[in-house]
Amino acid sequence: DTEVTQTPKHLVMGMTNKKSLKCEQHMGHRAMYWYKQKAKKPPELMFVYSYEKLSINESVPSRFSPECPNSSLLNLHLHALQPEDSALYLCASSSQGGGTGKGDTQYFGPGTRLTVL
Amino acid sequence: TQLLEQSPQFLSIQEGENLTVYCNSSSVFSSLQWYRQEPGEGPVLLVTVVTGGEVKKLKRLTFQFGDARKDSSLHITAAQPGDTGLYLCAGRPSGTYKYIFGTGTRLKVLA
Repeated sequence: DTEVTQTPKHLVMGMTNKKSLKCEQHMGHRAMYWYKQKAKKPPELMFVYSYEKLSINESVPSRFSPECPNSSLLNLHLHALQPEDSALYLCASSSQGGGTGKGDTQYFGPGTRLTVL
Repeated sequence: TQLLEQSPQFLSIQEGENLTVYCNSSSVFSSLQWYRQEPGEGPVLLVTVVTGGEVKKLKRLTFQFGDARKDSSLHITAAQPGDTGLYLCAGRPSGTYKYIFGTGTRLKVLA
């Protein structure tokens, strides 16, 4: 099984709201990623967790706060977002020496479509 | 800055035609993936290539990794409307677990 799940599928929030996006994988992968994707563009990397530690932050504004509670879960906490943050948010995982699936490959979840009003 | 350039950016063809999409870089990659993405959905993995010169086939799709592991191509034979979508290549440079995405190729196959 090479499945990454994301919830919710769709999210509409106001600029003063606090919400969270969730991602889960059960492949035993040790690296997990958050990407942001605007329409008709490739995904842009936001954060990378390796062995449950934040290893890459691509200068993402502090209104986005990642969290990795354990090796299977990845959250993205959202607070005081702007309308320009509306996008498809993708979670991915890769082996980094652990778990199943093709080595050295990222597997993506279905994404959360976020709309900020 | 490591970049992966894809060409063409857009392609509109008739059903039954063949096409090739290219993914080029000046950097060396440990591996390279090809994905297909539908609007509003996550990228779906098509293939991973890891060895220079490697050729992989997936039904009507043929993938090749360059000998120097800097470039790759995707060839589709007898395209069908179901092949329509955004094709993305992504490479992982040696020594990092950060993947570099290509600029994307938007394919439309007309019935």
